[in-house]
Amino acid sequence: QQQVKQSPQSLIVQKGGIPIINCAYENTAFDYFPWYQQFPGKGPALLIAIRPDVSEKKEGRFTISFNKSAKQFSLHIMDSQPGDSATYFCAASEGGGYQKVTFGIGTKLQVIP
Amino acid sequence: GAVVSQHPSRVICKSGTSVKIECRSLDFQATTMFWYRQFPKQSLMLMATSNEGSKATYEQGVEKDKFLINHASLTLSTLTVTSAHPEDSSFYICSARDGQIFSPLHFGNGTRLTVT
Repeated sequence: QQQVKQSPQSLIVQKGGIPIINCAYENTAFDYFPWYQQFPGKGPALLIAIRPDVSEKKEGRFTISFNKSAKQFSLHIMDSQPGDSATYFCAASEGGGYQKVTFGIGTKLQVIP
Repeated sequence: GAVVSQHPSRVICKSGTSVKIECRSLDFQATTMFWYRQFPKQSLMLMATSNEGSKATYEQGVEKDKFLINHASLTLSTLTVTSAHPEDSSFYICSARDGQIFSPLHFGNGTRLTVT
């Protein structure tokens, strides 16, 4: 059973575009939602994270929007660049982040010049 | 920022041999470490969770006698793939977090294991 559903699985945008990656969850006990960026052959790197008491969080060109009632959250990348081409994973955990992290299936993003 | 170092980055071994992968937290104390396996173009599959000084907790379907995990100190965890077979070939990634609430996972750069 996939606890965190992520879409789309792949995404192609032009440079400067705003790719949006969506995630949904069922477990209302989740209280920590990080996003990770992974380049080929490397481990994931934390990009940005949000807790459900916040509806939006921005860090640089990356923004998370969070809708607690809908149990959905999304990642927006402003002014996307070719260097943003990577696989992005949404994730969730409960217990103040102490419990294991459940990952979405991943979205492979390609930003074309 | 928090750094997790994982070695080796690549290893090729013959079927039947054992391989040890090390995961170190360089600038923080990792009270909990997690080991993941990732197949090509797929998500991360949690194999086991280890807390310093305790036995690891394995996810359903993961053979604990095949994937030995040791978390002997607050900065070091090891995964030993025993009697490796070609189907064990995969990308193994460790991650670590400190003991603070809402502290994020920090990942190593992974180990590409190829069993011939």
